Amino acid sequence: DVKVTQSSRYLVKRTGEKVFLECVQDMDHENMFWYRQDPGLGLRLIYFSYDVKMKEKGDIPEGYSVSREKKERFSLILESASTNQTSMYLCASRVGSSGELFFGEGSRLTVL
Amino acid sequence: GEDVEQSLFLSVREGDSSVINCTYTDSSSTYLYWYKQEPGAGLQLLTYIFSNMDMKQDQRLTVLLNKKDKHLSLRIADTQTGDSAIYFCAHSGAGSYQLTFGKGTKLSVIP
Repeated sequence: DVKVTQSSRYLVKRTGEKVFLECVQDMDHENMFWYRQDPGLGLRLIYFSYDVKMKEKGDIPEGYSVSREKKERFSLILESASTNQTSMYLCASRVGSSGELFFGEGSRLTVL
Repeated sequence: GEDVEQSLFLSVREGDSSVINCTYTDSSSTYLYWYKQEPGAGLQLLTYIFSNMDMKQDQRLTVLLNKKDKHLSLRIADTQTGDSAIYFCAHSGAGSYQLTFGKGTKLSVIP
């Protein structure tokens, strides 16, 4: 079975803390994505990566950075968490530009 | 306007058919997708249609595509309580790495 694994299902952090969200896929996919999901706003793309060490900004990159040192791992970093970053974060991966997008189970982050 | 638009809510009785509609603006869309999200979970691909098709049927699911009007619909026959979920319409353009999603339609099935 194909698998996208997000390391933390639930996190609670304080304002100003640094937050790492980890995502690993076992399908040898080139493309990996980070979305955030908020009620009434749907999914919004934060960053994506089409190869190791490559990254592209999505629609809402402000306040976030990413790291892709290995093909299977894509990390989302919040350098200084703020309350408006409380959200559900979804990682996804895909082969090429026409394949199915596979999602992880999501990481629900609460920033106090 | 939004790139992909969907109604936010739909409520149907168990056993009835559900029809979830989606409109999009990008005429270069090559693949159009329906994803399902159950409570507390990530999204799972339900079905997809290539832009040169106008219909695709898979068991209880029927996808209709009107490319001229940029309108996509998902029909679920004999809707069950297990179909209660959020359904997302999405598309990708030719050669594009990313998918663009609608805001999702929350389907509630009344027993």
